[in-house]
Amino acid sequence: AQSVTQLGSHVSVSEGALVLLRCNYSSSVPPYLFWYVQYPNQGLQLLLKYTSAATLVKGINGFEAEFKKSETSFHLTKPSAHMSDAAEYFCAVTRPGGTSYGKLTFGQGTILTVHP
Amino acid sequence: SQTIHQWPATLVQPVGSPLSLECTVEGTSNPNLYWYRQAAGRGLQLLFYSVGIGQISSEVPQNLSASRPQDRQFILSSKKLLLSDSGFYLCAWSVRGSGADTQYFGPGTRLTVL
Repeated sequence: AQSVTQLGSHVSVSEGALVLLRCNYSSSVPPYLFWYVQYPNQGLQLLLKYTSAATLVKGINGFEAEFKKSETSFHLTKPSAHMSDAAEYFCAVTRPGGTSYGKLTFGQGTILTVHP
Repeated sequence: SQTIHQWPATLVQPVGSPLSLECTVEGTSNPNLYWYRQAAGRGLQLLFYSVGIGQISSEVPQNLSASRPQDRQFILSSKKLLLSDSGFYLCAWSVRGSGADTQYFGPGTRLTVL
């Protein structure tokens, strides 16, 4: 079974400050990991994904995440927050292989607030 | 390019009424399809997934059902809605057979049961 824990349901930063959203996973096999962003009343948009290639993954809008197997973590970062980054962010895990049918297990989400 | 549509965008229904939400995907064939529910403060819960026409797997016992009458059409239904069915319903698709490829989400349907 797989699970995802996002530490901090709410994170608040100032515009221009570092964004750090934490995600820890549990998986019995090497996982694939994803970060999605959701703006109010919209669907989820993929930010980036880790699929066992480079451990540092770069995504859209200046975000990146690093897969750390020893820490079972996949934290999302952005060097300088922008007002438009305010949204809810979800970390998700899946098990590679056809029998998983691509099913994702999501964390509870982290709401990012950006102050001027 | 691929697009995914959901309708209606919003819906207000009385308790005990039926439900039908539709999801269609364009620009791809043989996708895996998924229905999620997002209740306030509870993250995303996978309700159903489908790997082909008429093939539906349910992830949680509930008051809802799903059907896939065509390759790129996925329908979420209920015969009698409960208050607890309120939430934001998201449909998603992924490339079939890839095992763990990206899921692409639709814009969602906001359902309020009164």
